Amino acid sequence: DGGITQSPKYLFRKEGQNVTLSCEQNLNHDAMYWYRQDPGQGLRLIYYSQIVNDFQKGDIAEGYSVSREKKESFPLTVTSAQKNPTAFYLCASSIGRNSPLHFGNGTRLTVT
Amino acid sequence: EDKVVQSPLSLVVHEGDTVTLNCSYEVTNFRSLLWYKQEKKAPTFLFMLTSSGIEKKSGRLSSILDKKELFSILNITATQTGDSAVYLCAVEAYPKGQAGTALIFGKGTTLSVSS
Repeated sequence: DGGITQSPKYLFRKEGQNVTLSCEQNLNHDAMYWYRQDPGQGLRLIYYSQIVNDFQKGDIAEGYSVSREKKESFPLTVTSAQKNPTAFYLCASSIGRNSPLHFGNGTRLTVT
Repeated sequence: EDKVVQSPLSLVVHEGDTVTLNCSYEVTNFRSLLWYKQEKKAPTFLFMLTSSGIEKKSGRLSSILDKKELFSILNITATQTGDSAVYLCAVEAYPKGQAGTALIFGKGTTLSVSS
């Protein structure tokens, strides 16, 4: 079955630790995205990548980093510089411009 | 600054009612507007609209775009409890200062349908 897999589903970390969220897709999509969802805030774009080895900052990139070494994979690292990391993180992919996003099931990160 | 505004933020209706959800936008270089339904985890795609005045329909759901007035509506007729969800509106545009297009989401409308 084609789709987007995010792991883990739930993640708990202590403040000050970096953590990496996994996102893998087997849809052969060029574009991949990371969004953060907080209650009452909707989805906010963190980073996106239109092609392998290239990525762009979204609206709230500070405290996050990404890599796109393979087409299928777009991991997101939440660094200790991110002031409010506790949130629901959604990864998505699309064929390209003007096409709908397909979302993974998300990772809920809790930092204490 | 690019923005997408949805209203109302929340709505409670009875089964069988008809609801209209609103989405207005101000973005640079609009390309398309999309509606998603989010129940618990991943948002699922409903509609993509690129042209004004052409209604898209899927069962009890329909949507239309007005590119002159910069808004879209999502209608749900004969609502059912299974329609309870967060409905997200997103606009694909070229954000200022960034290469490529990105989806800009509104905050969503939480719809609760009671039996």
